[in-house]
Amino acid sequence: DTGVSQNPRHKITKRGQNVTFRCDPISEHNRLYWYRQTLGQGPEFLTYFQNEAQLEKSRLLSDRFSAERPKGSFSTLEIQRTEQGDSAMYLCASSLTGTGYQPQHFGDGTRLSIL
Amino acid sequence: AQSVTQPDIHITVSEGASLELRCNYSYGATPYLFWYVQSPGQGLQLLLKYFSGDTLVQGIKGFEAEFKRSQSSFNLRKPSVHWSDAAEYFCAVAPNAGKSTFGDGTTLTVKP
Repeated sequence: DTGVSQNPRHKITKRGQNVTFRCDPISEHNRLYWYRQTLGQGPEFLTYFQNEAQLEKSRLLSDRFSAERPKGSFSTLEIQRTEQGDSAMYLCASSLTGTGYQPQHFGDGTRLSIL
Repeated sequence: AQSVTQPDIHITVSEGASLELRCNYSYGATPYLFWYVQSPGQGLQLLLKYFSGDTLVQGIKGFEAEFKRSQSSFNLRKPSVHWSDAAEYFCAVAPNAGKSTFGDGTTLTVKP
């Protein structure tokens, strides 16, 4: 179990630029979640996938945000035309599906800083 | 919609003292309830979870939590805090085995 891997760990960019983050889930996990965490707050749900299908998107996910999981393995989260308010930690989690609760395993996040 | 309130933003306890972190939730039925811990610059680690059954649940690192339906609470406790417990603690709810809703966290400082 190598855990959930997120890259890069830290991204600094200028306002208006596009950024893309990658998440590699635990290999046998078919569910993948994206959360955003701003300073002093808990993680907020953005979206989740089951295999390659994006099953739910939060209203927080504006049209500047897009997430993909093309082959049901790794996922990417892209933010276009970044704004100051996008500065946050972006967390990825993965889990199995099955009867009952399957715990979410979190990566260490990508911290985005907008200059 | 479900929500989670953690009334204490910051708690300071002395090493060896007992700890209780409060969590209140709002949901129409009994949801899945969780406590996570987050160290600086890292992701979240699950401490414990409650779904049904015994209302006192044991977790890792000596933590336990008690579910009280009448108070819509799920408070986290530890009888004797260690310096390594200093971190941020999040309570979360989920209606099913899906997305979670988190509280805003409680930062724990441990005095030597």
